[in-house]
Amino acid sequence: QVQLVESGGGLVKPGGSLRLSCAASGFAFSDHYMSWIRQTPGKGLEWISYISNSGTYTKYAASLKGRFTISRDNSKNSLYLQMDSLRPEDTAVYYCAKGSIAAPIDSWGQGTLVTVSS
Amino acid sequence: EIFLTQSPGTLSLSPGERATLSCRASQSFGNYLAWYQQKPGQAPRLLIYDASGRATGIPDRFSGSGSETHFTLTISRLEPEDFAVYYCQQYGTSPLTFGQGTRLEIK
Repeated sequence: QVQLVESGGGLVKPGGSLRLSCAASGFAFSDHYMSWIRQTPGKGLEWISYISNSGTYTKYAASLKGRFTISRDNSKNSLYLQMDSLRPEDTAVYYCAKGSIAAPIDSWGQGTLVTVSS
Repeated sequence: EIFLTQSPGTLSLSPGERATLSCRASQSFGNYLAWYQQKPGQAPRLLIYDASGRATGIPDRFSGSGSETHFTLTISRLEPEDFAVYYCQQYGTSPLTFGQGTRLEIK
């Protein structure tokens, strides 16, 4: 069955960086667009970014203002999210997700908590 | 950006009753609408896609309907495990957006 396992979350100071990883298994990873979605108690579920199956095309939420970068390595069945210039309001649970534009999110990882605090 | 408004915010019902959850969009986006169920400490789970398609393994007491800007999730007869938070989401245009959720609680 589909498995998505995130890693790389943790505590980081404002202005710092963090790289999240997601290991995918149980499906043809290179055939699917993938997304990152985050969840906070205050703002609920927020889509962050998606990437095409080949990695050629990416799209981001405007609110990120260019601070985050999505990427993938199909040879490793892995998805990444590089997060720079982190702010306290980026504190959230970050989910790796299978699906994006024109495709529902049919699989979610368990989530990884990112806390931005001094 | 398409805004999704879910109502009610909280719905209090008893097991065996029928639940009707609403999701209204600020503009039309086709039928690329999904419903998710989330329980505490868990990731969301896909219930309904393309407004009315039932995801794999989802019981037939869950059904979706609607089009254009008004969509509905109906749970025909509530089971104890159905009490959770439900989100709608549109995936027809970027940015993908979610509703704020409806909490379904036991009365």
